[in-house]
Amino acid sequence: NAGVTQTPKFQVLKTGQSMTLQCAQDMNHNSMYWYRQDPGMGLRLIYYSASEGTTDKGEVPNGYNVSRLNKREFSLRLESAAPSQTSVYFCASSREVNEQYFGPGTRLTVT
Amino acid sequence: QKEVEQNSGPLSVPEGAIASLNCTYSDRGSQSFFWYRQYSGKSPELIMFIYSNGDKEDGRFTAQLNKASQYVSLLIRDSQPSDSATYLCAVRGRGAQKLVFGQGTRLTINP
Repeated sequence: NAGVTQTPKFQVLKTGQSMTLQCAQDMNHNSMYWYRQDPGMGLRLIYYSASEGTTDKGEVPNGYNVSRLNKREFSLRLESAAPSQTSVYFCASSREVNEQYFGPGTRLTVT
Repeated sequence: QKEVEQNSGPLSVPEGAIASLNCTYSDRGSQSFFWYRQYSGKSPELIMFIYSNGDKEDGRFTAQLNKASQYVSLLIRDSQPSDSATYLCAVRGRGAQKLVFGQGTRLTINP
């Protein structure tokens, strides 16, 4: 089992460009999450999907959109990247809410 | 007031000593509490969870929960240099479909 996978691992964007971060899990988990992590800020929830077909905003949703494509996949889209979105992005999944398993992360730099 | 607060550290502990990490939370109805460990440049991994008041032990790790005082702590006995990492506290509110993370405490174990 690969667990939670994320692509790409690294990305550099120019301001205004768009991109989609991909996340997939093979643990048959119902819930999936997107976080960003900035120095000294811990993990901040961007969006989550408690089950297939549902998505909800987290703490910092502005500038992002998500799609729960199926039970395995949950993507995060930046429509018009800004330097403030420079961060490390983590996807996570869990069978229920409690024990979340994290992917390896995507390091995004917006110039 | 932040929902989940941790001392960001750094916390420096000599090898073999007990490391004590603390976390407070604001939602009195919170029901589940988690400790994640994150090595530099890596993704968070779950090391302990606790649901009930009191202590829960797992090897060298002990999680302590005091709901009346709204704090949860993690004790690491016989600290090893390999325990050097950032420790993230996470809390699930009553009925919530997500976790809220603290900003993390950076722990350094000195040989």
